[in-house]
Amino acid sequence: DGGITQSPKYLFRKEGQNVTLSCEQNLNHDAMYWYRQDPGQGLRLIYYSQIVNDFQKGDIAEGYSVSREKKESFPLTVTSAQKNPTAFYLCASTGGEGGHPSTDTQYFGPGTRLTVL
Amino acid sequence: AQSVAQPEDQVNVAEGNPLTVKCTYSVSGNPYLFWYVQYPNRGLQFLLKYITGDNLVKGSYGFEAEFNKSQTSFHLKKPSALVSDSALYFCAVRASNAGNNRKLIWGLGTSLAVNP
Repeated sequence: DGGITQSPKYLFRKEGQNVTLSCEQNLNHDAMYWYRQDPGQGLRLIYYSQIVNDFQKGDIAEGYSVSREKKESFPLTVTSAQKNPTAFYLCASTGGEGGHPSTDTQYFGPGTRLTVL
Repeated sequence: AQSVAQPEDQVNVAEGNPLTVKCTYSVSGNPYLFWYVQYPNRGLQFLLKYITGDNLVKGSYGFEAEFNKSQTSFHLKKPSALVSDSALYFCAVRASNAGNNRKLIWGLGTSLAVNP
């Protein structure tokens, strides 16, 4: 089956620890995204990558880091510098619909809920 | 500045009645508009999008949306609501002159409650 997978589904972190959230897609999409979702605040973009080995900061990148070494993988590290990391994290990808890239649909993974203890 | 507004935090409707979830937008250039649904503790599911052509777009699960350029709106509708439609709905927009940048501008979401 084609799709986007995120792991783990639930993650608990102690203060001061770095944790890495996994995002994998087998849709052959070029672009991948990380969002953070908090109640009542919608989706906020953390980082995005339009192509392998390239990524850009989104609106709330502070305290987060990413890598894009492979087309199908876009892991997100939540560092100890992120002051309030408890949230629901969503990964998405786009590409390959054949039209102009700006018309492409974003498809989402199931999410990872991170809780800081 | 580009933006999306979903003016209602919550919409309540009785099962079997028509439902509308509102969305207005502000972008430079022509808009590409999207609707997504999110069930609790799940990722977002794509419902439908408007790119060009017919202003009435039909999507998944019986949903449709009407693009209104003069009112800069893209309201989501369904003729007969189901209890299972209860979820969080997001509207998003991308400007057609955004080039290869596929970033979406998101609304804050509208919680739909369908009462039996």
